[in-house]
Amino acid sequence: DVQLVESGGGLVQPGGSLRLSCAASEFTFASHAMAWVRQAPGKGLEWVSSISGSGDSPYYAASVKGRFSISRDNSKNTLFLQMNSLRADDTAVYYCVRGDGGGRIFYFDYWGQGSLVTVSS
Amino acid sequence: DIQLTQSPSFLSASVGGRVTITCRASQAFSSYLSWYQQKSGRAPKLLIYASSTLQSGVPSRFSGTRSGTEFTLTITNLQPEDFATYYCQQFNSYPFTFGQGTKLEIK
Repeated sequence: DVQLVESGGGLVQPGGSLRLSCAASEFTFASHAMAWVRQAPGKGLEWVSSISGSGDSPYYAASVKGRFSISRDNSKNTLFLQMNSLRADDTAVYYCVRGDGGGRIFYFDYWGQGSLVTVSS
Repeated sequence: DIQLTQSPSFLSASVGGRVTITCRASQAFSSYLSWYQQKSGRAPKLLIYASSTLQSGVPSRFSGTRSGTEFTLTITNLQPEDFATYYCQQFNSYPFTFGQGTKLEIK
């Protein structure tokens, strides 16, 4: 079965940085676009960022553009999200999700269990 | 950006019953809309993609349709495990927006 395991979450002060990782297994990682989706406590889902299977064509939500950076290491089957200049409203569970194919995404078919990021002083 | 408006926000139904959740888009787009189910404390699970295609392993009591800018998720013969929160999401263009969610509760 497809496995997506996030790590790197935790408590960080406003203005700080954090890097999330997502270890993928049981599928050909480079053949799938990947993404991050977050969910603030008690709130709905928000798409954050996506990246193609080859690692180019990153996209970002307006709320994180210029502060967050998505990347991937296909040799290590790992997806990353570098989060800088964190704010209180970035507090959320961050899910690593798999796109259906390597290029354009038509749906997200697998989700990780999520990693909680808390931004607070 | 494409806005998705889900209705209702809350829904109460009985086991064995039938419910319909609507997701209305702010503009016309292709059929690249998905539905997800999320249970409390768990990650979302894909139910339907491309408006009406059932994801492998999802029971046939779930179905999706599209009429213009209105997309619907219908669940028939509700089972206890179906009581959860449901979200729609569009993949026509970035940003990949979600509806605000519909919480389905047991009556």
